[in-house]
Amino acid sequence: DTEVTQTPKHLVMGMTNKKSLKCEQHMGHRAMYWYKQKAKKPPELMFVYSYEKLSINESVPSRFSPECPNSSLLNLHLHALQPEDSALYLCASSQVYGRGAGSYEQYFGPGTRLTVT
Amino acid sequence: AQRVTQPEKLLSVFKGAPVELKCNYSYSGSPELFWYVQYSRQRLQLLLRHISRESIKGFTADLNKGETSFHLKKPFAQEEDSAMYYCALLTSGSRLTFGEGTQLTVNP
Repeated sequence: DTEVTQTPKHLVMGMTNKKSLKCEQHMGHRAMYWYKQKAKKPPELMFVYSYEKLSINESVPSRFSPECPNSSLLNLHLHALQPEDSALYLCASSQVYGRGAGSYEQYFGPGTRLTVT
Repeated sequence: AQRVTQPEKLLSVFKGAPVELKCNYSYSGSPELFWYVQYSRQRLQLLLRHISRESIKGFTADLNKGETSFHLKKPFAQEEDSAMYYCALLTSGSRLTFGEGTQLTVNP
């Protein structure tokens, strides 16, 4: 299995809702990532987990809360989002994390398209 | 600070014509560069990485440290090459810094 899967594909939520995005990979990768992608823009890194520990938080607002319950799963918990948070949220994974690991390709999921109303 | 510049947002060529997508970078360390491609309604996927020096789907890219460039080239474009192409630079840790992307359209 060489795929990263994400659920749900689409999500519409109100500003007072709490929801979660889910990402799963079974490639034995130990690094997992969350990216945010606005329309016609490149992905922007949000979080990096390495061996189930949070390694990078790119100054993301606390209304986004990541969680890595095990090496195959990555969640992104959403609470009190704003309309400007509407975007495509991409999950990715790679064998390892860290400089010198550049030869390890990041595999991307199809994304969850989030709309905040 | 690291930066990736793709000067062309849109590029349109005819089938069979050569195509070159430009990428320039700014990075004080030793660069590791990639090209990612996003076909319509498909996920982002790796096309090329400079350390592999490989040719994928007829595309090649050579790292030119003197000109700080990593242009993507294909001698004969095909309609199925139409997609969004992102040049990306790997910096500290495994941070990927993406360029703004070039939307390539190959016309019949």
